[in-house]
Amino acid sequence: QITLKESGPTLVKPTQTLTLTCTFSGFSLSSSGVGVGWIRQPPGKALEWLAFIYWNDDKRYSPSLKSRLIITEDTSKNQVVLTMTKMDPGDTATYYCAHYYDSSGYYSDAFDIWGQGTMVTVSS
Amino acid sequence: SYVLTQPPSVSVAPGQTARITCGGNNIGSKSVHWYQQKPGQAPVLVIFYDSGRPSGIPERFSGSNSGNTATLTISRVEAGDEADYSCQVWDRNSDHREVVFGGGTKLTVL
Repeated sequence: QITLKESGPTLVKPTQTLTLTCTFSGFSLSSSGVGVGWIRQPPGKALEWLAFIYWNDDKRYSPSLKSRLIITEDTSKNQVVLTMTKMDPGDTATYYCAHYYDSSGYYSDAFDIWGQGTMVTVSS
Repeated sequence: SYVLTQPPSVSVAPGQTARITCGGNNIGSKSVHWYQQKPGQAPVLVIFYDSGRPSGIPERFSGSNSGNTATLTISRVEAGDEADYSCQVWDRNSDHREVVFGGGTKLTVL
């Protein structure tokens, strides 16, 4: 059974750096075709993709946020970490991590299992 | 950047058919995935690769994709289907890889 769970601070101040951890079980990020994505959703708004890490360490970022994001993995701990710099009140959102599997390596598949999400508020 | 356009809301009576569209330039050439999200919950995948249905998703949920529009169809709508529905694709171009979500559609069951 695949599960993912996000963790991190619930409140950060403007200009600070946010670090979120996705701890997962039921799969290995070193297995061919496996990936993990980060997606966020501001209150009452649409889903927004942030970053993606693939089993071969390929990393992809939202073009609009690329300069502020870093995604890394700790395979031994079954964790994926997302770092977002220069936090702003506009970054207030629920942040999700999600499992991905694509045996073709074609970057076309869905995020089939999602974590419960973690709400982050940016305020002074 | 690729854009997916969804209607903000769709309303349907119980037992009727709901159709939620997702528009994009030549979206028929891409694989479209659909997610259902109920208030306070994480998204759930309901349709993958245009028309595939994950295990546990009722047969009432179906999808199609052609030209510039992908459609999620929910037959015999039930009160429990009331939720937000979002479409998603991968935008690929040369070495560019980007996940794109639509703006979401709120399905109201009258």
